[in-house]
Amino acid sequence: GQNIDQPTEMTATEGAIVQINCTYQTSGFNGLFWYQQHAGEAPTFLSYNVLDGLEEKGRFSSFLSRSKGYSYLLLKELQMKDSASYLCAVSPRTDSWGKLQFGAGTQVVVTP
Amino acid sequence: EAGVTQFPSHSVIEKGQTVTLRCDPISGHDNLYWYRRVMGKEIKFLLHFVKESKQDESGMPNNRFLAERTGGTYSTLKVQPAELEDSGVYFCASSRGGGQDYGYTFGSGTRLTVV
Repeated sequence: GQNIDQPTEMTATEGAIVQINCTYQTSGFNGLFWYQQHAGEAPTFLSYNVLDGLEEKGRFSSFLSRSKGYSYLLLKELQMKDSASYLCAVSPRTDSWGKLQFGAGTQVVVTP
Repeated sequence: EAGVTQFPSHSVIEKGQTVTLRCDPISGHDNLYWYRRVMGKEIKFLLHFVKESKQDESGMPNNRFLAERTGGTYSTLKVQPAELEDSGVYFCASSRGGGQDYGYTFGSGTRLTVV
């Protein structure tokens, strides 16, 4: 079957670093997305990886290993506003870009 | 630019009734997608429009769900008749082209509760 797995919840202290792992098994692969979603709001785009390696964007970085079916999202210098759900999503097909497959999301709780 | 707008934000209906959800994508975005998240589960794809045409509707659960995008602008998703298991949050997203450069912009969702 097709699976995208990520931890349910992670807790970290303000100013710390948190790494959210995502493993995937899909029938095809055409890129991996990370989204942030605050409760009751729209998921917002954080990053996209299609090649192996690390993509850095300010405090957020995303890593991909296609051979291992593995990605992580790294959040540095955590702030209280980073408390949210983080969604890993894979685009499995080149002919249907919009058909993203999502993991269940990781709830990150940032404590003072 | 204005974001993706969904209406209503919440809807509570009785089993057997009909509900219509609306999505207004970002102006100029040809691609429009519907997704759904039921309680405790992951967000799941329902269908994809390119302009007014259905590109992929493989995620539609059954024939009680009907999506339209007349004129290639806004889209509606009608559930008729609604069942208890249809409860969840329905998200709409849009993109100008392939989403890899734009990451698909999502709306805030419509929370549907069927009682």
